[in-house]
Amino acid sequence: AQSVTQPDIHITVSEGASLELRCNYSYGATPYLFWYVQSPGQGLQLLLKYFSGDTLVQGIKGFEAEFKRSQSSFNLRKPSVHWSDAAEYFCAVGPQLTGGGNKLTFGTGTQLKVEL
Amino acid sequence: KAGVTQTPRYLIKTRGQQVTLSCSPISGHRSVSWYQQTPGQGLQFLFEYFSETQRNKGNFPGRFSGRQFSNSRSEMNVSTLELGDSALYLCASSLAGAWNEQYFGPGTRLTVT
Repeated sequence: AQSVTQPDIHITVSEGASLELRCNYSYGATPYLFWYVQSPGQGLQLLLKYFSGDTLVQGIKGFEAEFKRSQSSFNLRKPSVHWSDAAEYFCAVGPQLTGGGNKLTFGTGTQLKVEL
Repeated sequence: KAGVTQTPRYLIKTRGQQVTLSCSPISGHRSVSWYQQTPGQGLQFLFEYFSETQRNKGNFPGRFSGRQFSNSRSEMNVSTLELGDSALYLCASSLAGAWNEQYFGPGTRLTVT
């Protein structure tokens, strides 16, 4: 069964510092990978997605992620963090099988705190 | 274009009661998925509806059910509520095909007392 692991439950960075959030997946084929962000009391907002092609994908709010098949990873990065980036970040993988619909399997999330 | 809307936003129910949550997808989106989010279990997939048919189902008891209407609006129902059903219920909509990116609503916060 497919699964997603986010090893870091909490991360604290200083405003202006770079950020990398880790995501590892277990998947039998080419994965469909997503990063979502959730602010307190809100739903999930899609930051970026990887379906195929270029392994470095750009997203909204200055985020990017790199797909590395050899490491089964899809880490999220941002060169300079802003205080408004404080939120919870979720990595997710899409269905493995054709006809698998739109079921997403989520990691447990990483809570990002930004120190001013 | 309006986003995904969910009603109500907050709900308090008593154990044993039933509840119905509503989700209106983005215009043109035909797939609606439901997720349960709790501190202990995280985000878990409940089910997905596409063209009024359940296309996918997660590992939840039969007390959790849903349906989709011809205008793609969806409802989910939980019968015989338990304390453990307290959660944020998120609805997501996407275009017709599989592996389309999903857009989430703000959620309905259900508290069972």
